[in-house]
Amino acid sequence: DAMVIQNPRYQVTQFGKPVTLSCSQTLNHNVMYWYQQKSSQAPKLLFHYYDKDFNNEADTPDNFQSRRPNTSFCFLDIRSPGLGDAAMYLCATSRDPPGSSGGAGDTQYFGPGTRLTVL
Amino acid sequence: ELKVEQNPLFLSMQEGKNYTIYCNYSTTSDRLYWYRQDPGKSLESLFVLLSNGAVKQEGRLMASLDTKARLSTLHITAAVHDLSATYFCAVQRFSSGSARQLTFGSGTQLTVLP
Repeated sequence: DAMVIQNPRYQVTQFGKPVTLSCSQTLNHNVMYWYQQKSSQAPKLLFHYYDKDFNNEADTPDNFQSRRPNTSFCFLDIRSPGLGDAAMYLCATSRDPPGSSGGAGDTQYFGPGTRLTVL
Repeated sequence: ELKVEQNPLFLSMQEGKNYTIYCNYSTTSDRLYWYRQDPGKSLESLFVLLSNGAVKQEGRLMASLDTKARLSTLHITAAVHDLSATYFCAVQRFSSGSARQLTFGSGTQLTVLP
C-alpha cells in the first residue's frame, strides 16, 4: 500500500545533541511537509519542499533544517535540540501537480509521527 | 494572517446524543479539511470540503461548509465511544511554489461517555 513512513517512531536525544528524523513516501507526491505538534496543541508547519524547492515558515527557528535528497525521502535535522523541542514531529505529503485546480487531490497524507524526547 | 478558531476546545457528551463542533476562519481559502487524531497517533483525514454549501457524511459524522460565513461545522449524530478523539479543522490556501499550506484550528477534544 502507498504510504508515508517515519523513522524512528520514538527518538530520545540529549540536550544539544544533533538529531535527524526521517520520512519516506511511496505515493510519489511532489510536496513533503514537516510539522511540529506539542502536547495538546495543533500541528504547526515548520517547512515544506515542493519538488526540490525548500520553503521555510517565517517563524521556524534556525535550529531546524531539512533535506530532500530525492522525491521519496525528506529529513528533519535539529542541530542543537532544546527541552522546548520535545514534541511529535509529523511528516505529510501532497500531490500538488503544477497548475492543478479543483478536486480533492491535494489532501495531505500524514505519517505516523516521531515522538522526540529531549533529556 | 489566516486564523482558524474551533469551539468548543473540550467536549464531553453522552453516548447517543448529538452535538456540533464549529470552525471559523478569517480569510478566504481554497478548501477546508477535517482530521481526526487519536492519542499519540497521527492525523487521519475525514473530509475535504471544496465549495460553498458542500456537505459530506461518513457514518455518524457530517461536515458542512459555508464560505460566505467562513464557517464549517462537524456534526456528530448519536455519538458512540469509538468517536472519542481530537478533531481538527484545517484551512488550505496557496503559498509559495504553488504548494498548498494547511493552517490548523486548536482542535476539539471529544470524549464520549457511556
